[in-house]
Amino acid sequence: TQLLEQSPQFLSIQEGENLTVYCNSSSVFSSLQWYRQEPGEGPVLLVTVVTGGEVKKLKRLTFQFGDARKDSSLHITAAQPGDTGLYLCAGDDSGTYKYIFGTGTRLKVLA
Amino acid sequence: GAVVSQHPSRVICKSGTSVKIECRSLDFQATTMFWYRQFPKQSLMLMATSNEGSKATYEQGVEKDKFLINHASLTLSTLTVTSAHPEDSSFYICSANREGKNIQYFGAGTRLSVL
Repeated sequence: TQLLEQSPQFLSIQEGENLTVYCNSSSVFSSLQWYRQEPGEGPVLLVTVVTGGEVKKLKRLTFQFGDARKDSSLHITAAQPGDTGLYLCAGDDSGTYKYIFGTGTRLKVLA
Repeated sequence: GAVVSQHPSRVICKSGTSVKIECRSLDFQATTMFWYRQFPKQSLMLMATSNEGSKATYEQGVEKDKFLINHASLTLSTLTVTSAHPEDSSFYICSANREGKNIQYFGAGTRLSVL
């Protein structure tokens, strides 16, 4: 069974601080997605990474896919209260289009 | 961007009744849709894969007779929770794959509360 473990599980920081969320697995994924979900809503896609070692930037968010395509990280620079939410990584299941979701990281940014 | 509409957004029902949730892809065709369940403060758990024109594929531990899935067209999948009980209360989310692309677009979710 493929598992995606995210760390930390919870994170509460002050506005302006930096943070990194990790998504780790023992399995190889052909692509990995990062989503942010707010309470009572569906997940919203932030980025898709497909190449080992790939780095993508989305404003203050930097995403990296591990060289072996087993892990990924999300780094947020100068966090803002609007970044508050549940961050989920998801890897595709052997090209079946099914996603395996990570355990989630709940981020709270205090003003 | 691709839009997936889920309806209703919230439903409260009595124990023993059945509830139908709709998932529509508004601006693209989706041969494959997915149904997830999410418990409070937890991640998404895949329940089943809905395939247009064929039977759904259920994940291990998900009762197919309890959670009926119909994918009658390329833009609509429905999930019916039959004879709902309080333990079925949860947040149900659908997603749809744009044909030929390995990207899932999610609906806004349906919060089901069974009294």
